[in-house]
Amino acid sequence: EVQLVESGGGLVQPGGSLRLSCVPSGFTFSRFWMSWVRQAPGKGLEWVASTNPDGSERYYVDSVKGRFTISRDNAKNSLYLQMNSLRAEDTAVYYCARNWHYAFDLWGQGTLVTVSS
Amino acid sequence: QSALTQPASVSGSPGQSITISCTGTTSDVGGYNYVSWYQQHPGKAPKLIIYEVSNRPSGVSNRFSGSKSGNTASLTISGLQAEDEADYYCRSFASGSTPVVFGGGTKLTVL
Repeated sequence: EVQLVESGGGLVQPGGSLRLSCVPSGFTFSRFWMSWVRQAPGKGLEWVASTNPDGSERYYVDSVKGRFTISRDNAKNSLYLQMNSLRAEDTAVYYCARNWHYAFDLWGQGTLVTVSS
Repeated sequence: QSALTQPASVSGSPGQSITISCTGTTSDVGGYNYVSWYQQHPGKAPKLIIYEVSNRPSGVSNRFSGSKSGNTASLTISGLQAEDEADYYCRSFASGSTPVVFGGGTKLTVL
C-alpha cells in the first residue's frame, strides 16, 4: 500500500526541541521531493519545508528558518523534521507529503505537536 | 493572513454546482500553471483533487474541475453530493522566498 506514516509528535515546552519522522511505503522514496505541511488547530494549511530527492536542496517558510531543519535518509527510507526553539505558534498537526507535479499527491495521517508550558 | 484569498464559506443544494475562487498575484497563481486543490474532511488528511490548474488525479470524480483566469483560479464542483461537504484549499507555486503558498480554505456546506 502506498502511504506515509508520521511519528514523533507530542507535548513540548516553549524553547524545546522535537524531531518528527515520516516513513514511506509502496513507492520509491528516493525519486520524490518531499515536504512538511502543518495545520494549527481550527486553522488552514501552511507549508513548512521541502527537500529534493537527494536532500541537497532545502526550502523553508520564513517563520521557521533557522529553527527547523528538513532532512532525509534515503537508505533508511525516512524523512525528518528537526524542530528547535519551539514556540506556542508552532502548535499544529504536522503532515508529511509527497510532491508530484507541483502538488502534494500523498499525505500522511499527521502527528500533533503541542508547544505549551 | 494567507497568501491566496478564498471565500470563507460557500453552500449549495444537492445536485447543484458551486465554484470556489482562489485569488493571488502575478507572482503565484497568475504566473504559473501550478495551482492545485485539496479536499479535507474533519479530522482527516487533505486529499489532492486537482493539479496543474485543471488536471484530475486518477480516481477523482469528474464532478470536480479546475480553471484559471489571470490571477484567480477556480474549483467547480458539479452535481453536489452530501459527501462533498468539506474544507477546500488551493495551493500555488510562488516566486520569492516562499515557493509554496496556500489559500485560507473554504468550508463547503451541502444544504
